[in-house]
Amino acid sequence: KQEVTQIPAALSVPEGENLVLNCSFTDSAIYNLQWFRQDPGKGLTSLLLIQSSQREQTSGRLNASLDKSSGRSTLYIAASQPGDSATYLCAVGFGGRDDKIIFGKGTRLHILP
Amino acid sequence: DGGITQSPKYLFRKEGQNVTLSCEQNLNHDAMYWYRQDPGQGLRLIYYSQIVNDFQKGDIAEGYSVSREKKESFPLTVTSAQKNPTAFYLCASSRWTEAFFGQGTRLTVV
Repeated sequence: KQEVTQIPAALSVPEGENLVLNCSFTDSAIYNLQWFRQDPGKGLTSLLLIQSSQREQTSGRLNASLDKSSGRSTLYIAASQPGDSATYLCAVGFGGRDDKIIFGKGTRLHILP
Repeated sequence: DGGITQSPKYLFRKEGQNVTLSCEQNLNHDAMYWYRQDPGQGLRLIYYSQIVNDFQKGDIAEGYSVSREKKESFPLTVTSAQKNPTAFYLCASSRWTEAFFGQGTRLTVV
């Protein structure tokens, strides 16, 4: 069974710090990996999508890396701001006939002003 | 604007009733998904559909049913067989497994 694990489950850091969120997956035969942000009571907003052939993607202060062979991805947030406070979810997509998208439980991030 | 629309935003169900959650997309995506989210939990897959008139069970399909008669629409029915339906339900569509989400429906049993 494909499983996605995110560590830590919750994180509080002072404003301005750089931070890393971790995601691991058990089945390395993924098609892509996607990082999402979720604000309380809201839907998911896509942050970054990494195809299986790519090593990393960047958008502004966010950088996501993918090591498919070891089943790991990291989301790096530079110079954190209070507005970054949210839950961050990692999801792996498998494409093909079994076109599932499987999520981790998320990391709840709180940036302290 | 292209996107995914879920309705209603809030839904209340009496015990023993069936209710249907709506999900419509105008992104021309083939694949659509339904997820359930409980407090402090990630998203668990209920059903997904890759093409019209075809769908597959996810990890927690018991007590739910879906249909996919049109590419744009993927309604979810929460039946009376679902014993703990209170949750936040999210619909998504995808192209090449890049997923886009609606704003969710919060279902409460009263």
